[in-house]
Amino acid sequence: DAKTTQPPSMDCAEGRAANLPCNHSTISGNEYVYWYRQIHSQGPQYIIHGLKNNETNEMASLIITEDRKSSTLILPHATLRDTAVYYCIVRGTSGDKVIFGPGTSLSVIP
Amino acid sequence: EPEVTQTPSHQVTQMGQEVILRCVPISNHLYFYWYRQILGQKVEFLVSFYNNEISEKSEIFDDQFSVERPDGSNFTLKIRSTKLEDSAMYFCASSDRVEKLFFGSGTQLSVL
Repeated sequence: DAKTTQPPSMDCAEGRAANLPCNHSTISGNEYVYWYRQIHSQGPQYIIHGLKNNETNEMASLIITEDRKSSTLILPHATLRDTAVYYCIVRGTSGDKVIFGPGTSLSVIP
Repeated sequence: EPEVTQTPSHQVTQMGQEVILRCVPISNHLYFYWYRQILGQKVEFLVSFYNNEISEKSEIFDDQFSVERPDGSNFTLKIRSTKLEDSAMYFCASSDRVEKLFFGSGTQLSVL
């Protein structure tokens, strides 16, 4: 499995955009970038995924660089409920297990 | 939105006892997983299950562990002889062929 690198922690002011970076320089052509989050020991929650194009859904936006070696998850208007550990994961074909790293602990500050 | 259901939410057992953790995956999903998370540590993959057999397992998933899909709806994780170090939150997950894993809310296992 390709590996990812994320900062261990970040702070973000409530109402501001949270930009969470991820490096995945060894990603291969058929691997997707996935983002999950875990709020205080609840089950991990899927946020978004993409292959090479930028993606947006009701939760977040995903920006993938043209060389696919890094990506950024954007929470456009962070709220206190977005305080969580965010995991950037590279995953291949459907059915592949999801391997969690340490992730980025995001604290949204009032 | 459909969800994965896990029971019980908390399980306390004595060391050496057998436990069965239960999960009801989302009905049309084909892939099933168990993960665990020891307090303060990362989420660890245990096993994946597809087409009624284990497709992959981690080093953690030794002979003390087994999984079963007994009736086409439930997905269980059995630990035959629990150890203190098995104390953790256990998460079940399922997915369809396309994309994301849906995780349950977990079972907190405490081995005394």
